[in-house]
Amino acid sequence: ETGVTQTPRHLVMGMTNKKSLKCEQHLGHNAMYWYKQSAKKPLELMFVYNFKEQTENNSVPSRFSPECPNSSHLFLHLHTLQPEDSALYLCASSQTGTTDTQYFGPGTRLTVL
Amino acid sequence: AQSVTQPDIHITVSEGASLELRCNYSYGATPYLFWYVQSPGQGLQLLLKYFSGDTLVQGIKGFEAEFKRSQSSFNLRKPSVHWSDAAEYFCAVGADSGGYQKVTFGTGTKLQVIP
Repeated sequence: ETGVTQTPRHLVMGMTNKKSLKCEQHLGHNAMYWYKQSAKKPLELMFVYNFKEQTENNSVPSRFSPECPNSSHLFLHLHTLQPEDSALYLCASSQTGTTDTQYFGPGTRLTVL
Repeated sequence: AQSVTQPDIHITVSEGASLELRCNYSYGATPYLFWYVQSPGQGLQLLLKYFSGDTLVQGIKGFEAEFKRSQSSFNLRKPSVHWSDAAEYFCAVGADSGGYQKVTFGTGTKLQVIP
């Protein structure tokens, strides 16, 4: 596989469930990102990992818990979510450096009932 | 902090017509500018980017964009639109954030192409 992959592509969960989103990049990048895309709102940066270290947490509620075990994999653990958390969650990766482009995965469409 | 404005939420053009999508940015230093496209149910695909040098940037799928510092603009153009160009287009500005790029996106412009 090439590029950035995300699984699952669709997820429906209840507010009491625990689930995880997975992102994998095959580009040899060192930085990985989670974004949230809600209808009629700009993409919101949630978390950034640079060389496996979390370097940004954009005031994200604790019911979202990221994990980056290595530079190729990024997880987003979800628990006790709210209906307003329903959105498209996008993962991206980039090489480190100020001129490096972010490459995006196809996203996970999350619906919280 | 940087910001991006895409004033047009929705644009409709006829197939074969020319296209221009507007983007204005706010950033104190030299910006890194991007245009991404998103088809329904998909992630974002990079169309083109500007970091420095020639202010007219060529991208994929026949798109180009021109950086105009005096107008703080980075408008996207295509001389002849194809039906497959129907999608949502996002302008973005990036800034160095200590080893990685922090990218701020606009709210997007949805393009409809009519036959």
